[in-house]
Amino acid sequence: DTGVSQDPRHKITKRGQNVTFRCDPISEHNRLYWYRQTLGQGPEFLTYFQNEAQLEKSRLLSDRFSAERPKGSFSTLEIQRTEQGDSAMYLCASSPSGRYTGELFFGEGSRLTVL
Amino acid sequence: DQQVKQNSPSLSVQEGRISILNCDYTNSMFDYFLWYKKYPAEGPTFLISISSIKDKNEDGRFTVFLNKSAKHLSLHIVPSQPGDSAVYFCAASNDYKLSFGAGTTVTVRA
Repeated sequence: DTGVSQDPRHKITKRGQNVTFRCDPISEHNRLYWYRQTLGQGPEFLTYFQNEAQLEKSRLLSDRFSAERPKGSFSTLEIQRTEQGDSAMYLCASSPSGRYTGELFFGEGSRLTVL
Repeated sequence: DQQVKQNSPSLSVQEGRISILNCDYTNSMFDYFLWYKKYPAEGPTFLISISSIKDKNEDGRFTVFLNKSAKHLSLHIVPSQPGDSAVYFCAASNDYKLSFGAGTTVTVRA
């Protein structure tokens, strides 16, 4: 399977714990995105990387959230001191270089439940 | 601020008939408009898009119409098939960010 891969698929944690999600994009894609989706809503943009550079961050990404993409390959999204409001599906997507048209390739998501 | 809105949370249509999904937006700076389809336990998958300089784009059974003056777009699926039952998200693009609507759940009845 050469699509976008996310791990873990499900994570249940207690409030105050730290969690980390990993995303492996399609190998030839240099752009990588993180979105968050809560129940009954569409995905919301969190952040965007071009290669290893983080070029855009949403105001939704508070200082408890940090995303990295070392060496421009896989990416991690860490949430520190989780809160119940962080419970959501975290979606990773990638897209190739060239003219941006909005066509993203999404992974299956990592579902976070904070108790 | 909800820049993209899908006002119909659900749509039920008979197999073989037309499905029409609607979407409204507020930001005139959007340059592409897209529809994504999502099955349960899967990520969204790209379906069809339209540039802001076009008013229609067709791909097989799927046609997207854009009315810039009304800030409105629609997706037509003809004929509807059982495999089309899914959640459809309208999205609009600006500066490498997609803004999504809340989705419309389409159910195609046999």
